[in-house]
Amino acid sequence: DAKTTQPPSMDCAEGRAANLPCNHSTISGNEYVYWYRQIHSQGPQYIIHGLKNNETNEMASLIITEDRKSSTLILPHATLRDTAVYYCIVRGTYTGANSKLTFGKGITLSVRP
Amino acid sequence: DSGVTQTPKHLITATGQRVTLRCSPRSGDLSVYWYQQSLDQGLQFLIQYYNGEERAKGNILERFSAQQFPDLHSELNLSSLELGDSALYFCASSVTGSGTLSIGYTFGSGTRLTVV
Repeated sequence: DAKTTQPPSMDCAEGRAANLPCNHSTISGNEYVYWYRQIHSQGPQYIIHGLKNNETNEMASLIITEDRKSSTLILPHATLRDTAVYYCIVRGTYTGANSKLTFGKGITLSVRP
Repeated sequence: DSGVTQTPKHLITATGQRVTLRCSPRSGDLSVYWYQQSLDQGLQFLIQYYNGEERAKGNILERFSAQQFPDLHSELNLSSLELGDSALYFCASSVTGSGTLSIGYTFGSGTRLTVV
């Protein structure tokens, strides 16, 4: 049972910001939003996660709406190497059996030159 | 290098055979997760071990089994292989303790299994 909804694909121009949306309208109060990406058959790579505040790290920014029903991952200056499948995942705090991450289909980001 | 080591990187075997995939987690990580990724199924969670004990099971077939050893490395055993078992198998590890929020998984580079 998918907890998140992402469009199947999007593209952006190299050097521009890529804004990847995710809907998670049934998110619970203790559930975090995680973003991972997978570059062509490599192992998925952790990007960022957040609960309700906006978060930023060296890779990206995560903007979570006030009602927490949706979020946006922002890659500020997309490069060709950012072409990948991006997964938005919601998960609660670790309680053993609930620690697994469930991946959906993700969104395929294509960065064009 | 993510710190999670999976061997072998590629494996070609015949139907009916048995194979073992190995995963060494990142230093200090206690949890190991196995995922299967085939073209039409996406990333499917198989099983999780924490400090040697099975913690969660996903869509793992009865022909598949796993274990985590005292040194925390894990092995995924696939037997009576079928053509449909051809897939990428990923291992991930995380630092987790009961009640502690994991900062996220670290994935290995995967083992590509081809059953012919």
